[in-house]
Order: sequence, then structure tokens, then C-alpha cells
Amino acid sequence: EDKVVQSPLSLVVHEGDTVTLNCSYEVTNFRSLLWYKQEKKAPTFLFMLTSSGIEKKSGRLSSILDKKELSSILNITATQTGDSAIYLCAVGGGGATNKLIFGTGTLLAVQP
Amino acid sequence: DGGITQSPKYLFRKEGQNVTLSCEQNLNHDAMYWYRQDPGQGLRLIYYSQIVNDFQKGDIAEGYSVSREKKESFPLTVTSAQKNPTAFYLCASSINRDRNTEAFFGQGTRLTVV
Repeated sequence: EDKVVQSPLSLVVHEGDTVTLNCSYEVTNFRSLLWYKQEKKAPTFLFMLTSSGIEKKSGRLSSILDKKELSSILNITATQTGDSAIYLCAVGGGGATNKLIFGTGTLLAVQP
Repeated sequence: DGGITQSPKYLFRKEGQNVTLSCEQNLNHDAMYWYRQDPGQGLRLIYYSQIVNDFQKGDIAEGYSVSREKKESFPLTVTSAQKNPTAFYLCASSINRDRNTEAFFGQGTRLTVV
């Protein structure tokens, strides 16, 4: 069965801290790994990773994929209260029909 | 503007009732998805469709039904067979199954059983 596992499930940090969120997967016919941020309603897209070892960066956020370890990390440096959200990892793949499989998410709370 | 529109934003259902959630996209995307999200949880796949007139069950399809008669529309019916339907429902779309692109989401429908 295809699955995506995220850790930790929740995390509380103080402003200025650096956090690392983890995503591991077991998905047949892996195509891509995506990170989303969900604050209130619709998840918003952060990164898509398809190649191992190539870091993607956007401001204080960065992410990298390790296909050998079947995992990815999302780093957030100098956290701000506005980073508080659920961070979702999704993997595209899954047998003969390509589908998008999500993990349970990591709930990040950044305290002032 | 291109995007995905879900309606209604809030929906209340009585016990034993079927309700239908609407999802429309004007992005010309082939693939569409329905997810369910419970409080503090990630997204669980209900149904997905890669092309018109074809759809597949996701991980939690029991008690739900869908149709894909038009490319831009993928309505979800929550039937009375779904024992615990209170949740946040998200619809998404992506270009097609053969390309690695992100999925775009609607704003969601919050369904409550009363």
C-alpha cells in the first residue's frame, strides 16, 4: 500500500528558531514530491522535487529530496509567527494511475 | 481568472440525507481529486479522475460517489452510507497524469451533520 509519513506530527518553536520537517514515502512509480503550506483553507504550493540532492529554496524555506532514503526534508530558518501552519507533504505516483498521496501533515506553531 | 471553485463553503446535512459538493475548474486540467481533512489531520484521498468519464477510488471511497461527465466538473456526493461525514472537503486539479506539476486546490467545503 502506498503511504506517505510525516514527522513530527506537531511542533512548537519560538520566533527565530530553525525547524526541520520530515517526509518519508513508500509509493510505487514515484514521480514527484511536493510540499504545501495550509493556514486556513486551501493548501498553497511551496516546492516540487523530482531529482535527488538538488535543493530548492524560496526565501527562508528550502527543501531537498533523497531518493535513496525515500525521504525529503523541509527547512525553515529564522521562523516567524506567520510560518504557523500545517505543512503537508504529497507524493505523485501510485501504480498504473498517477495520483497524489498526502501525508498526515506537521502542525507548526511559532510563538512570539 | 483561472482557478478552482468549490461550493458551497459551508453545508449542513441531516442524518440520512445525501448531499452533493460542487467542484469546477477552468484551468483545462485533466486530473481532478477529492480529499477529506479531519481536524488536525492531513488529506485523505476519496476519489480521483484522470480523464473525462473515468475515475478511481482512493483510500476512503466508501459512502461517497463521484461523476466526471465534463472536464471542468467533478462533483462529490456524500451518501447516507457515510457514517461520519463531518469534515473539511478539498477538491484539487492538476494538468494531467503524465506531467509532474503541482495540484491546485479550491477553498474547500465544510460539511457538518446536524
